[in-house]
Amino acid sequence: EDQVTQSPEALRLQEGESSSLNCSYTVSGLRGLFWYRQDPGKGPEFLFTLYSAGEEKEKERLKATLTKKESFLHITAPKPEDSATYLCAVQAGGGGNKLTFGTGTQLKVEL
Amino acid sequence: NAGVMQNPRHLVRRRGQEARLRCSPVKGHSHVYWYRQLPEEGLKFMVYLQKENIIDESGMPKERFSAEFPKEGPSILRIQQVVRGDSAAYFCASSPNSGQVGNTIYFGEGSWLTVV
Repeated sequence: EDQVTQSPEALRLQEGESSSLNCSYTVSGLRGLFWYRQDPGKGPEFLFTLYSAGEEKEKERLKATLTKKESFLHITAPKPEDSATYLCAVQAGGGGNKLTFGTGTQLKVEL
Repeated sequence: NAGVMQNPRHLVRRRGQEARLRCSPVKGHSHVYWYRQLPEEGLKFMVYLQKENIIDESGMPKERFSAEFPKEGPSILRIQQVVRGDSAAYFCASSPNSGQVGNTIYFGEGSWLTVV
């Protein structure tokens, strides 16, 4: 069974204090690893998809990386507007298009 | 959220009533998914549909829940005889194709069901 574990569950940062969120996964044949951002009362907002170990993608202050066992979401010099829950999900090769999600990391960036 | 439209956004039902949640995918997307998010839990896959076909319903409860995606009109998630445990956020998502690299899945804003 595909599994996704995210850590930490919650993270509090000062504005400008860089950090990383972790997503560990076990999946039978990874087709894609997805990162989403979710604000309270809203739906998940797509950030990145990574497909193979060694791949990296960047968007503004966010950078996602992928190894064979885990993915990191690096946040550089965060701002209060980066506060949200960040969700990681995997899509297995033989599982159709189904995504298996972790429970997320709740990030709060303070002034 | 790339245009996945869900309604209603909030729905209150009494125990035993029926709930119908509607989802219009991104224009041009032919694949629709439903996920459920219970309080303090992660998103859980329920069902994957293409037009007029259920492709994977491995996450759907065996009773009271059904989904359809007709040739015309939105996808519908139907919950019959709702119970308090059905209270959750239900998210619809869509994608343009299947089984291909680059198949990004976009989510709607969700429908929040409260059973009283």
